[in-house]
Amino acid sequence: QQQVKQSPQSLIVQKGGISIINCAYENTAFDYFPWYQQFPGKGPALLIAIRPDVSEKKEGRFTISFNKSAKQFSLHIMDSQPGDSATYFCAASGNTGTASKLTFGTGTRLQVTL
Amino acid sequence: DTGVSQDPRHKITKRGQNVTFRCDPISEHNRLYWYRQTLGQGPEFLTYFQNEAQLEKSRLLSDRFSAERPKGSFSTLEIQRTEQGDSAMYLCASSLQGSTGNTIYFGEGSWLTVV
Repeated sequence: QQQVKQSPQSLIVQKGGISIINCAYENTAFDYFPWYQQFPGKGPALLIAIRPDVSEKKEGRFTISFNKSAKQFSLHIMDSQPGDSATYFCAASGNTGTASKLTFGTGTRLQVTL
Repeated sequence: DTGVSQDPRHKITKRGQNVTFRCDPISEHNRLYWYRQTLGQGPEFLTYFQNEAQLEKSRLLSDRFSAERPKGSFSTLEIQRTEQGDSAMYLCASSLQGSTGNTIYFGEGSWLTVV
């Protein structure tokens, strides 16, 4: 049972462009939605996260948009740079008891070209 | 500021052998998680501890897998009688219960190759 669906599987964006990755979730108990960035051979690193009480959160070039009614959230990377080339995972968790574990999407491989 | 530390980073073992991975979480974190990640997939939850108590185990965690966190600090993940299907990266993560957003920090992972 895939509780967090992520798209696209891969994405190629030119330097300076906007990268957009989308996720949808099913479990209404989820109340924390982080995005992780992973480089080859490394562990996932937390990029940015949002709670459902806000519809948008921005940190530098990274923005999460959240639509609670649609159970969807997305990551926007503005002014994409070659150094952003990595795999991005959305995730979701609850914050009570065993629901605190993260459920991940399947990942989006981003390539930013010159 | 030390992050989550995992050892060894890489392990090659023959099928049928036992392997053990160690994880040292961020020092003040009371929650510790183990995940498994195969190529091209997102991390999959295996188990988690709050202090020394193992609170949940995934159905992915067969009887050949055992995890411990004896004093609520470091943790070990042992795989007995390894199979080729166990080849994956084993990720440890930690968090502080009650922290804003339950932020979970991952280590660099331990790669297992079963030949």
